[in-house]
Amino acid sequence: QSALTQPRSVSGSPGQSVTISCTGTSSDASDYNYVSWYQQYPGRAPKLMIYDVTKRPSGVPDRFSGSKSGSSASLTISGLQAEDEADYYCWSYAGTFWVFGGGTKVTVL
Amino acid sequence: QVQLQESGPGLVKPSETLSLTCAVSGGPISGYYWNWIRQPPGKGLEWIAYVYFTGTTNYNPSLKSRVAISVDTSKNQISLKLRSVSAADTAVYYCARGYSASRVFPGFWGQGTPVTVSS
Repeated sequence: QSALTQPRSVSGSPGQSVTISCTGTSSDASDYNYVSWYQQYPGRAPKLMIYDVTKRPSGVPDRFSGSKSGSSASLTISGLQAEDEADYYCWSYAGTFWVFGGGTKVTVL
Repeated sequence: QVQLQESGPGLVKPSETLSLTCAVSGGPISGYYWNWIRQPPGKGLEWIAYVYFTGTTNYNPSLKSRVAISVDTSKNQISLKLRSVSAADTAVYYCARGYSASRVFPGFWGQGTPVTVSS
């Protein structure tokens, strides 16, 4: 049902950068001005990492960054650390309702 | 810091109605959007609905015919009712507040309450 497509998994070695894409089906580019990203560890509630495409809440390390191009948004983790191994979900407006992406598992090799 | 505590029956029989409550403490209900989100075992997050403190609602089209969300400012709680449940509704259900006033995207989450649909 998701209108947002994410890769199932990405991986990288400590210190490297990984990028997670979030591609939408809405034809209204303005819908993607409100993309948020969430980090979730197993058995825990999600945590907000990025909102409004590029903004970081207080306390989120600056190695997490967001960007957007057309109907696709991205989350980049620079200087990958072991603690970054988790599931990541994007969230955005889908015309008349809100939707999460399918989720991406980030593995630190 | 706002705190959210979900509560529910834990186990619901197929075809029955699931009722969940989210108790809000440490902050006001007024001014904010309140979301319900669920996560089936081993699967991703699914947004169910939101309610604004004024009572304005919005629903996921795939669940709209079976769901009702409401806010009770006098009791500081948000409620969710899901009718005619089936095994597909088995999930952890989260309550989440909009990050800031008048913003929908979830910024503060409860710990979640697990719900199993089984006879």
